[in-house]
Amino acid sequence: NAGVTQTPKFQVLKTGQSMTLQCAQDMNHNSMYWYRQDPGMGLRLIYYSASEGTTDKGEVPNGYNVSRLNKREFSLRLESAAPSQTSVYFCASSEALAGGPNEQFFGPGTRLTVL
Amino acid sequence: GQQLNQSPQSMFIQEGEDVSMNCTSSSIFNTWLWYKQEPGEGPVLLIALYKAGELTSNGRLTAQFGITRKDSFLNISASIPSDVGIYFCAGRVRGAQKLVFGQGTRLTINP
Repeated sequence: NAGVTQTPKFQVLKTGQSMTLQCAQDMNHNSMYWYRQDPGMGLRLIYYSASEGTTDKGEVPNGYNVSRLNKREFSLRLESAAPSQTSVYFCASSEALAGGPNEQFFGPGTRLTVL
Repeated sequence: GQQLNQSPQSMFIQEGEDVSMNCTSSSIFNTWLWYKQEPGEGPVLLIALYKAGELTSNGRLTAQFGITRKDSFLNISASIPSDVGIYFCAGRVRGAQKLVFGQGTRLTINP
């Protein structure tokens, strides 16, 4: 039982390049999330997926797209990377989006630098 | 968007000391969570709180859901070197679906 896994762990891009961050969970969770973490800013929600087949914008969605490929996998795509997207990206999952206990379990993160 | 104010931002303490940190919000919350993040890792859930006034312990860690529903507290007793890391509070506003996170408290311990 690996929990939440993310690939890659590190990535360096040039401005304008595109890439996809991958996330998978093996806990049979319905909801999945993408956050970015910047110094002094805590975690900010980019996009989330309440259940398979649905995605919604979070607090900071501009410059990103997501795909909920199936119940296990939720990817984050940067179409044209910008230096402002240099950050640490975390994927998380939870049994449900709301109602009752909703502990989110986090992956180890992807450290992205955009030059 | 919804803001959580977490304090202090950083703490430098001696091993063996007790630690206290808190989070406050202008809105009423129905869930409070406390996470710990170690360098190079993702946040790990420490304690979850679901009722106003609830007091929950996890080893040397104790967290409380404030009576007003607008705050939460985390205490660490008799700190040890492995307590080093960043502690985040998170919560869900009543009626909302998504969690919001505090800015984190960075804990440094001098042996």
